[in-house]
Amino acid sequence: GQNIDQPTEMTATEGAIVQINCTYQTSGFNGLFWYQQHAGEAPTFLSYNVLDGLEEKGRFSSFLSRSKGYSYLLLKELQMKDSASYLCGGMDSNYQLIWGAGTKLIIKP
Amino acid sequence: GAVVSQHPSRVICKSGTSVKIECRSLDFQATTMFWYRQFPKQSLMLMATSNEGSKATYEQGVEKDKFLINHASLTLSTLTVTSAHPEDSSFYICSATDGFYEQYFGPGTRLTVT
Repeated sequence: GQNIDQPTEMTATEGAIVQINCTYQTSGFNGLFWYQQHAGEAPTFLSYNVLDGLEEKGRFSSFLSRSKGYSYLLLKELQMKDSASYLCGGMDSNYQLIWGAGTKLIIKP
Repeated sequence: GAVVSQHPSRVICKSGTSVKIECRSLDFQATTMFWYRQFPKQSLMLMATSNEGSKATYEQGVEKDKFLINHASLTLSTLTVTSAHPEDSSFYICSATDGFYEQYFGPGTRLTVT
């Protein structure tokens, strides 16, 4: 079956770095997405990885290892506004996104 | 960037009535639109995938006669919740793609059935 696993909740301190891990099992693979979702709002796109390696975009970076079925989202210089849920989504061979349950990130001052 | 709108943003209706939610891609042609629902503190659950001019493909367990989807044009898809009941209360989100990988999400519609 298809499955996406990510931690339910994480806590970090303002200004620090946090890494949110995601493991995936999909029928075929067409890429791994990370979205940010603030409470009561729709998700917004953060990153897309289809090749192995690290993609850096400002304070956010995303890593993919296809052989391990593993990805992580790295957030640097954390700000209070980064408090949100982070959704990991794997795209299968039918180009359908399989979503994880989301990781709620709590930032403390 | 690509913008997707949804209307209404919030709706309260009585049990047994029907509610229509619109999803529009404002600055691109959406070859495919997706409808999700999300319960509190849970992830997105795909309900159906719709392509312009053809019937929607529903996920297992989603009643197609209850959740009517019409994708009449490349910029508009509608979801009608028929004979709504309190258990249908949820956050409904649409997303659209222009044929590439990224999905652009609408702002969501919060449905409350009393």
